[in-house]
Amino acid sequence: QSVLTQPPSVSGAPGQRVTISCTGSSSNIGTGYDVQWYQQVPGTAPKFLISANNNRPLGVPDRFSGSKSGTSASLAITGLQAEDEADYYCQSYDTSLSGWVFGGGTKLTVL
Amino acid sequence: QITLKESGPTLMKPTQTLTLTCTFSGFSLSTSGVGVGWIRQSPGKALEWLAVIFWSDDKRYSPSLKSRLTITKDTSKNQVVLTMSNMDPVDTATYYCAHRLGADVTGGRFDSWGQGTLVTVSS
Repeated sequence: QSVLTQPPSVSGAPGQRVTISCTGSSSNIGTGYDVQWYQQVPGTAPKFLISANNNRPLGVPDRFSGSKSGTSASLAITGLQAEDEADYYCQSYDTSLSGWVFGGGTKLTVL
Repeated sequence: QITLKESGPTLMKPTQTLTLTCTFSGFSLSTSGVGVGWIRQSPGKALEWLAVIFWSDDKRYSPSLKSRLTITKDTSKNQVVLTMSNMDPVDTATYYCAHRLGADVTGGRFDSWGQGTLVTVSS
């Protein structure tokens, strides 16, 4: 049981917009700590994708955007492409656990 | 360019102690704000944070595994070592090390990851 809750799966057709939610609590997302998103193509290591305040590494297209409100965060992907098919994980810092917590992951399928 | 690579045994027996080494380049663990963390992923499951060590030698452990984990660093060799005692088949997972970017010993993100190493625990 992950501390952060994500939908197990989402899907969309090429060109569409999808969002992935990440729900936490007052001890993690509800604190002032940022929320991070990671992309993991099956069989490969996770890759830092974007943060909720939209910090993104070079090379990550602006089709990906992050946001946070209260105890929840969201990852939005516009102009969906086949290469976006992957697992996505959110991550935050939990002050009660004094450690880093991840969501259960969301499998994105591009139809 | 930051790179990290995990090394260690691929097969363990129950009750044995696992020792994993993360060898990195492109940054120094002497730089303020820098940390190296370990995260694992059981087959078909989610990511699970295990431990982090910081430039200050401060250490943080997952509360659920704290009694079994030890993390150390060798700054001169650019290495971080994680030991996990009393291994069990449920500890079968891919173990990743990652560079933690942040301002202090809380928060931040794991912005560069190693390729991971699969450790199987079986009698």
